[in-house]
Amino acid sequence: QQQVKQSPQSLIVQKGGISIINCAYENTAFDYFPWYQQFPGKGPALLIAIRPDVSEKKEGRFTISFNKSAKQFSLHIMDSQPGDSATYFCAASKESGGYNKLIFGAGTRLAVHP
Amino acid sequence: DVKVTQSSRYLVKRTGEKVFLECVQDMDHENMFWYRQDPGLGLRLIYFSYDVKMKEKGDIPEGYSVSREKKERFSLILESASTNQTSMYLCASSFTSGAPYEQYFGPGTRLTVT
Repeated sequence: QQQVKQSPQSLIVQKGGISIINCAYENTAFDYFPWYQQFPGKGPALLIAIRPDVSEKKEGRFTISFNKSAKQFSLHIMDSQPGDSATYFCAASKESGGYNKLIFGAGTRLAVHP
Repeated sequence: DVKVTQSSRYLVKRTGEKVFLECVQDMDHENMFWYRQDPGLGLRLIYFSYDVKMKEKGDIPEGYSVSREKKERFSLILESASTNQTSMYLCASSFTSGAPYEQYFGPGTRLTVT
């Protein structure tokens, strides 16, 4: 059962454009929604995260938009650069017993063309 | 800087072999995780550990076991490797409390079972 659905599977954007990746979740108990960025040959690294009590979080060119009623959240990359080319994973988590398990989406491979 | 290291970047094993994947973290993290990453499936949790000698099954534990004898080290064991275990294996670690949920990943081990 896929609890976090991510789309699109791949995305091509021109340099300077906006990249948008969408995720939807099922479990309303999730209370933390991070995005991880993975470059080829590297492990994923935390990019930005949001809690459901806010509708938007911005860090530089990266913004998470969160729609609690629709159970959806998305990553927007403004002014996309070739260096942003990577695989992006959304995730959802609920703290349980002092530890957190992340449920990951399937990933989106982003290519930013110069 | 947090560092999670994995014993091998690439590994080729034969069907039926016993395989050990080692992971070491240097941040005194309580939690450690093993994931496998497959195209189109994202990251799926195999096992995690929240303390020395403690372990919990993740979403896909079948065919795997783990060992955590020291806080900094978490091993994934494939008792009898099969071709469907060919995958990228990622280790991660995190604190139990404080700044929540950020998991730090190693670079991964690409395992091929022939």
